[in-house]
Amino acid sequence: DQQVKQNSPSLSVQEGRISILNCDYTNSMFDYFLWYKKYPAEGPTFLISISSIKDKNEDGRFTVFLNKSAKHLSLHIVPSQPGDSAVYFCAASDGSNYKLTFGKGTLLTVNP
Amino acid sequence: NAGVTQTPKFQVLKTGQSMTLQCAQDMNHNSMYWYRQDPGMGLRLIYYSASEGTTDKGEVPNGYNVSRLNKREFSLRLESAAPSQTSVYFCASRRSKAGGPRETQYFGPGTRLLVL
Repeated sequence: DQQVKQNSPSLSVQEGRISILNCDYTNSMFDYFLWYKKYPAEGPTFLISISSIKDKNEDGRFTVFLNKSAKHLSLHIVPSQPGDSAVYFCAASDGSNYKLTFGKGTLLTVNP
Repeated sequence: NAGVTQTPKFQVLKTGQSMTLQCAQDMNHNSMYWYRQDPGMGLRLIYYSASEGTTDKGEVPNGYNVSRLNKREFSLRLESAAPSQTSVYFCASRRSKAGGPRETQYFGPGTRLLVL
């Protein structure tokens, strides 16, 4: 049973436009959410996170929104750049441990 | 500062062979993790070590063993490799021990394993 779902395997956007990556979760105990970016042949790198006490967190071009009632979060990248092309993983943890549950990832392609 | 390092980068094994994947971190982190990534499956936790001297099973531990050699090193062993263990293996570390503040995990570059 998948607790963290990224239903879009891929997304293609034009350079300069907004990229919106979505993530849904089923476990109501999750209270901390992270986004990781992964380039081919490299390990995932941390991008941005959000605690369940917030509904928005912003870091430069990256903003994560959390809708707890819908159990949904999204990552907005504005403006998108070709260097943002990568696989983006959504991950979640609950308050009882420090393990992360990952989604399957979304491949973002930003076209010049 | 090298962060998390993994060796080897790539390995080919025959079914039934054994091998150990090595992981080391130089960030003085307490917790360490082993994940596998398969196409379309995301990252799945194999084993983790909350602190030096402790290890626990994750989501997919069957066929693997781990050793937390010291605070820096966390190895993953395949005793009898199977084709189903063909995957990319990632090691990660995190500063806090279990129950610590919410913190990110830092990942190594991965080991690509092919079992024939």
